[in-house]
Amino acid sequence: AQTVTQSQPEMSVQEAETVTLSCTYDTSESDYYLFWYKQPPSRQMILVIRQEAYKQQNATENRFSVNFQKAAKSFSLKISDSQLGDAAMYFCAYSSYNQGGKLIFGQGTELSVKP
Amino acid sequence: DTAVSQTPKYLVTQMGNDKSIKCEQNLGHDTMYWYKQDSKKFLKIMFSYNNKELIINETVPNRFSPKSPDKAHLNLHINSLELGDSAVYFCASSQDRGQLYEQYFGPGTRLTVT
Repeated sequence: AQTVTQSQPEMSVQEAETVTLSCTYDTSESDYYLFWYKQPPSRQMILVIRQEAYKQQNATENRFSVNFQKAAKSFSLKISDSQLGDAAMYFCAYSSYNQGGKLIFGQGTELSVKP
Repeated sequence: DTAVSQTPKYLVTQMGNDKSIKCEQNLGHDTMYWYKQDSKKFLKIMFSYNNKELIINETVPNRFSPKSPDKAHLNLHINSLELGDSAVYFCASSQDRGQLYEQYFGPGTRLTVT
């Protein structure tokens, strides 16, 4: 069965600094997708960034980038120039066609941003 | 325009009652999902429908029954509510399943069973 693990329950970063959130996953599938979702206190789930497993190039979205290491089954999220609005719970998630498209989530990492 | 809406957003009820949560999406998506977020904020899939057909039914008590009257709606009915059912329930939709399509989430329904 596919599993996703986020080993950092909480992280803290100073405003304007860079922080990296860790995620590892386990799968025997070769075709899958990885996501980072953000959940601010408003509870709304917001897609931050996504990565196709077959692409070697790491995805980037403005201040957000990933370090995708397929052999190591690692998918970390780097947030550059952290802003107060980045404070939220961040979830790493796995999906594949064989899994019916469902998102399999990690436990989440609570990120706080200090002014 | 709200993409994925859920009603109600908050629901407080007593043990043993039956309740429903409604979900509607106006994105024209084919696939809809129900996720449960527990008190530790862990998110887990419950059900998924594709074109009104049930395609995912995780290990969920029979007291939970999803219904999809059409592609745009996926409702969740819960019988004989228990304390452990207290959680936030999220509806989501996507253009297709298993592809790199974003799942759009509703605002969530916080269910409190007393």
